[in-house]
Amino acid sequence: QSVLTQPPSASGTPGQRVTISCSGSSSNIGSNTVNWYQQLPGTAPKLLIYSNNQRPSGVPDRFSGSKSGTSASLAISGLQSEDEADYYCTTWDDSLSGQVFGGGTKVTVL
Amino acid sequence: QVQLVESGGGLVKPGGSLRLSCAASGFTFSDYYMRWIRQAPGKGLEWVSYISSSGSTIYYADSVKGRFTISRDNAKNSLYLQMNSLRAEDTAVYYCAREGLSGGALDIWGQGTMVTVSS
Repeated sequence: QSVLTQPPSASGTPGQRVTISCSGSSSNIGSNTVNWYQQLPGTAPKLLIYSNNQRPSGVPDRFSGSKSGTSASLAISGLQSEDEADYYCTTWDDSLSGQVFGGGTKVTVL
Repeated sequence: QVQLVESGGGLVKPGGSLRLSCAASGFTFSDYYMRWIRQAPGKGLEWVSYISSSGSTIYYADSVKGRFTISRDNAKNSLYLQMNSLRAEDTAVYYCAREGLSGGALDIWGQGTMVTVSS
């Protein structure tokens, strides 16, 4: 049971927009910024979005993040086949004094 | 180039010990906080431990507290994870990662090292 709640799966056709939600509480998302990671099969995770809505250099602007209250979301616009991956949200939890992750969302391009 | 390389994984019996290492290169290691993250087979990511740049601040996940010890040697550009009293549920790929951006963002990850705890 993950501290942050994500849908287990999401899908879309090429070119569509897909949104992944991440729900937490006042001690984690409500108090700290959210980061998102993309993990392609058999590889290490890659930072996709940091500080709620910032993209590291090299990440396409098709990826965007937002946060409101105790929830965050990741949007992928113009979905491409190479976006098929697992996506994880994460933040710090002040009550647990530790980093917490969502359970991950598997994105499938139909 | 900026790189993290883990080593030290392997097969160990329940109750045994293992020490993981993470060698950093291409950046000033002593400037960065570091973390260990693990991923059990077919499962999601789980944070294990965190250490500040000087080593003065350390946190552990409850699941490993009292059994694992994180440390670093800035002179050797290396991060370590000493794992004792290993359990089957510690079986996972262990990644070291650099906290290189704001908000605790982990911008550089190693390739991971597999730890299997089984009799």
